Amino acid sequence: GAVVSQHPSWVICKSGTSVKIECRSLDFQATTMFWYRQFPKQSLMLMATSNEGSKATYEQGVEKDKFLINHASLTLSTLTVTSAHPEDSSFYICSALAENTEAFFGQGTRLTVV
Amino acid sequence: RKEVEQDPGPFNVPEGATVAFNCTYSNSASQSFFWYRQDCRKEPKLLMSVYSSGNEDGRFTAQLNRASQYISLLIRDSKLSDSATYLCVVNTRRMLTFGGGTRLMVKP
Repeated sequence: GAVVSQHPSWVICKSGTSVKIECRSLDFQATTMFWYRQFPKQSLMLMATSNEGSKATYEQGVEKDKFLINHASLTLSTLTVTSAHPEDSSFYICSALAENTEAFFGQGTRLTVV
Repeated sequence: RKEVEQDPGPFNVPEGATVAFNCTYSNSASQSFFWYRQDCRKEPKLLMSVYSSGNEDGRFTAQLNRASQYISLLIRDSKLSDSATYLCVVNTRRMLTFGGGTRLMVKP
């Protein structure tokens, strides 16, 4: 089946630094990718929808200047957490929609900001 | 009202039990539906797609009721390894919406 690769799988960074997370669709073209955040014992929360070649659509309450999304190609979307703070520590997951509408997920990135 | 709603549980059942989860969705334009399974600290993995005619995969049966706007998942003969969170996912015009998930705990 289709594979989505997300990198890195975990990262620890200092407060105030920026972290980039990559999401790649390995064997299909993903015109739409989604970025989610999941805090412990909570459900996945959509942060933004990333469309290739256009600006991402952010959900209410998600700061677009803090969570920069770039979807420059049909196989790659990146999420950059800028000036990270401890409250940004979370599990970030991307997903991509294949043509048959099934969604495939990256492995997730566990971000810890210290 | 949330777009996709699930009972969060937890559902605590003994091994061998049959358990059913429901999920309701609010947008009648929704086009496709899925059940995903998520283990702790892992990404969601597709369990099965849900079709109007209903579909079965081993011990798992999924059904869709468009008129009432709900989908269901039935697990028969529960195994310890079925313990996880089950997510209902609805695709509406290529926008995915997740239910909050239903936690299942299968006990020996």
